[in-house]
Amino acid sequence: DGGITQSPKYLFRKEGQNVTLSCEQNLNHDAMYWYRQDPGQGLRLIYYSQIVNDFQKGDIAEGYSVSREKKESFPLTVTSAQKNPTAFYLCASSMAGGRVEQYFGPGTRLTVT
Amino acid sequence: GENVEQHPSTLSVQEGDSAVIKCTYSDSASNYFPWYKQELGKGPQLIIDIRSNVGEKKDQRIAVTLNKTAKHFSLHITETQPEDSAVYFCAADRGGADGLTFGKGTHLIIQP
Repeated sequence: DGGITQSPKYLFRKEGQNVTLSCEQNLNHDAMYWYRQDPGQGLRLIYYSQIVNDFQKGDIAEGYSVSREKKESFPLTVTSAQKNPTAFYLCASSMAGGRVEQYFGPGTRLTVT
Repeated sequence: GENVEQHPSTLSVQEGDSAVIKCTYSDSASNYFPWYKQELGKGPQLIIDIRSNVGEKKDQRIAVTLNKTAKHFSLHITETQPEDSAVYFCAADRGGADGLTFGKGTHLIIQP
């Protein structure tokens, strides 16, 4: 069954702690993306990666970090430097290039108190 | 960079009526315009997309129109059904850079 998995679905952390969100895909896609979604807002691009060992900042990269050591995996770390980390985080993947369909995972809802 | 505006933020229609959601974009280099449907607590799913070489595309009850000169595109849903209730997002490619720029979404409510 091909697709994108994100884990966990719900995540709770104390303020000041770093937390890593998992994203795995078995679609053999080259490109992967992380978006943040807040109530009443669209999806905002955090980071994206076109190939293994390479990634670029999106519109709101401050306070986040990523790695792309394997084609299938693109974990996102929310650091303590992120001022408002509570949000719904969505991972997506696509074939190479920006003008193609992106497939989204089910999302992780992160709550930081 | 690209900026995408979407209207309305909430749309309530009677079951069986049509619904129209409109978006404008700013970057004339954008050529790909997808529409996503998101149900509560889930990730968005592509429902239809259009590229700049066509002005309209249909898939059963769903259609999208594109006016590149005016930089706007619209989603049309006919004969709405209860399962159409969801949040709909328009998006545009980022003019050559990877990733998409999304509108803020439209909450579509189908009244029985």
